[in-house]
Amino acid sequence: QVQLQESGPGLVKPSQTLSLTCTVSGGSISSGGYYLSWIRQHPGEGLEWIGYIYYSGSTNYNPSLKNRVTISVDTSKNQVSLKVNSVTAADTAVYYCASSPAANYWFFDLWGRGSLVTVSS
Amino acid sequence: EIVLTQSPGTLSLSPGERATLSCRASQSVSSSYLAWYQQKPGQAPRLLIYTSSTRATGIPDRFSGSGSGTDFTLTISRLEPEDFAVYYCQHYGSLSWTFGQGTKVEIK
Repeated sequence: QVQLQESGPGLVKPSQTLSLTCTVSGGSISSGGYYLSWIRQHPGEGLEWIGYIYYSGSTNYNPSLKNRVTISVDTSKNQVSLKVNSVTAADTAVYYCASSPAANYWFFDLWGRGSLVTVSS
Repeated sequence: EIVLTQSPGTLSLSPGERATLSCRASQSVSSSYLAWYQQKPGQAPRLLIYTSSTRATGIPDRFSGSGSGTDFTLTISRLEPEDFAVYYCQHYGSLSWTFGQGTKVEIK
């Protein structure tokens, strides 16, 4: 049973870099069996896809965030990381890690529980 | 960029009633790439329907999806107490995923 777990600081100061990690358990990222995405949800609002990565390192990002976001993969640790630069209060959100099966990558069949990140001084 | 518009914003119904949720795309999309999710307070979204009409594993058959082109529908045939939640539609295209703004199904 594959599981996803987000982790990282819950509080980030404005203008700094938000860093989160998604750890995959019960499966290997290197298997190439799924795409891993980051999705966020502002308080009381809807879902916003941030970007995805495949085990090979190929990525794509939401154009609205592309200039500030980097997603990377560490297959040795079975982890995917998210970095968002120059954060503001508008980046306060719950950040989810979600997977899409490689054979049917157009939907998210597994989600982590989410990690709340607050941007505040 | 395709925009998904869900309606209504809030649906007030009683247990046992039928719920019909709409998701309209700003341009025609492939039904293969349309999915629906359920989200309860404090929880991550859960996949309900993919390829517009295929139920995900473990999803009860009171949930059904339909549609094509620009208009898609999620129907809950008879609302159970655990179905009161927020529902999102989602589209995939060109290595990019977008969500509708959600419909809240609340107890009347």
